[in-house]
Amino acid sequence: GESVGLHLPTLSVQEGDNSIINCAYSNSASDYFIWYKQESGKGPQFIIDIRSNMDKRQGQRVTVLLNKTVKHLSLQIAATQPGDSAVYFCAETMNSGYSTLTFGKGTMLLVSP
Amino acid sequence: EPEVTQTPSHQVTQMGQEVILRCVPISNHLYFYWYRQILGQKVEFLVSFYNNEISEKSEIFDDQFSVERPDGSNFTLKIRSTKLEDSAMYFCASSEDFSRGEQFFGPGTRLTVL
Repeated sequence: GESVGLHLPTLSVQEGDNSIINCAYSNSASDYFIWYKQESGKGPQFIIDIRSNMDKRQGQRVTVLLNKTVKHLSLQIAATQPGDSAVYFCAETMNSGYSTLTFGKGTMLLVSP
Repeated sequence: EPEVTQTPSHQVTQMGQEVILRCVPISNHLYFYWYRQILGQKVEFLVSFYNNEISEKSEIFDDQFSVERPDGSNFTLKIRSTKLEDSAMYFCASSEDFSRGEQFFGPGTRLTVL
């Protein structure tokens, strides 16, 4: 079946570096994508979203890029901080009127001081 | 800042027993969700709930599962006869509307079935 997946299970960076977390999706009908951050012992926390009519969206220190041609989503974190250490999930959904999210497996981001 | 709360944080039960997981969504939210995450795996959608009825449910949400909003603040997930494979983190989420990304998640309940 179709699913959301991630290329890199673990990403280790130094504090101050820029981080890029990637996600591949296979459901061409998906038109809305979200990045979540999950810290140890906590529930997923919304970071940023993007609709399929956009290819880039920026937030505070984060940027999401969407390439619909190759069905690829990425999350860029600028000036990564130790507090950014967490598991990052991409999720997708369709414009079905419901809010069912399909999550990817997650990438662990480890930030060293 | 308002947040979704869940109780208990950890529930241990024997196989075949019934469990009720409790959630208090954010007060002005109208849409409620349950997700689960088996250890080491991805978060999986179980059910969404609006206007006192189920909006959508996944294949995981079989007859052993039920949800209820017994009063104006609580949202519960009941598993009638737990199985070993029900062991997971269960997350409740709520959203103000169908803005799909802005689902606010609770801290989760870790269910361990022995």
